[in-house]
Amino acid sequence: QVQLVQSGAEVKKPGASVKVSCKASGYTFTSYDINWVRQATGQGLEWMGWMNPNSGNTGYAQKFQGRVTMTRNTSISTAYMELSSLRSEDTAVYYCARTTFDIWGQGTMVTVSS
Amino acid sequence: DVVMTQSPLSLPVTLGQPASISCRSSQSLVYSDGNTYLNWFQQRPGQSPRRLIYKVSNWDSGVPDRFSGSGSGTDFTLKISRVEAEDVGVYYCMQGTHWPLTFGQGTRLEIK
Repeated sequence: QVQLVQSGAEVKKPGASVKVSCKASGYTFTSYDINWVRQATGQGLEWMGWMNPNSGNTGYAQKFQGRVTMTRNTSISTAYMELSSLRSEDTAVYYCARTTFDIWGQGTMVTVSS
Repeated sequence: DVVMTQSPLSLPVTLGQPASISCRSSQSLVYSDGNTYLNWFQQRPGQSPRRLIYKVSNWDSGVPDRFSGSGSGTDFTLKISRVEAEDVGVYYCMQGTHWPLTFGQGTRLEIK
């Protein structure tokens, strides 16, 4: 079936980087954009940016410009989101979602703590 | 950025009773192609969000027909005709018309 499966939980120190993966299956990976959304504990949803897996083109929310990088490996149908210069406020569940948000990954908990 | 304002933020409902959530945008959500990119999501406790409604009023596959979406321009509504226990969770609206994409704050539906 159509699904997005994300990598496991991460614990990072402030100032470090984290790279979360999102593996697509059940559909043609390059035919649908991938969005990244995050959710701090008990908080709402925040859109981070978008990537076109076919071209590699990306678009990032201004809040994350300079700190986020979205890439892909088409040979294994996997998208990646890397966030650098982590701070405690980046502690959240990070989700990938297909183009129109019809399919979501299960989420990846990223904890930033010294 | 387009601000999406939901009300109420908390919605206690008796089983079998109707429920309604409002979502207002700070700008019109009508895109240049004539479509209005307003989605509704349900997030049950401990789960990923699930899209219920897309482009204002279109049901996603498997969504019970007790859910319905309506509205236009800047004013949108999600209605549940008869609330069931499985409807407990947080509901979000999201606009996909303007960059950056933005979500409402969420409405927590609970059973009275």
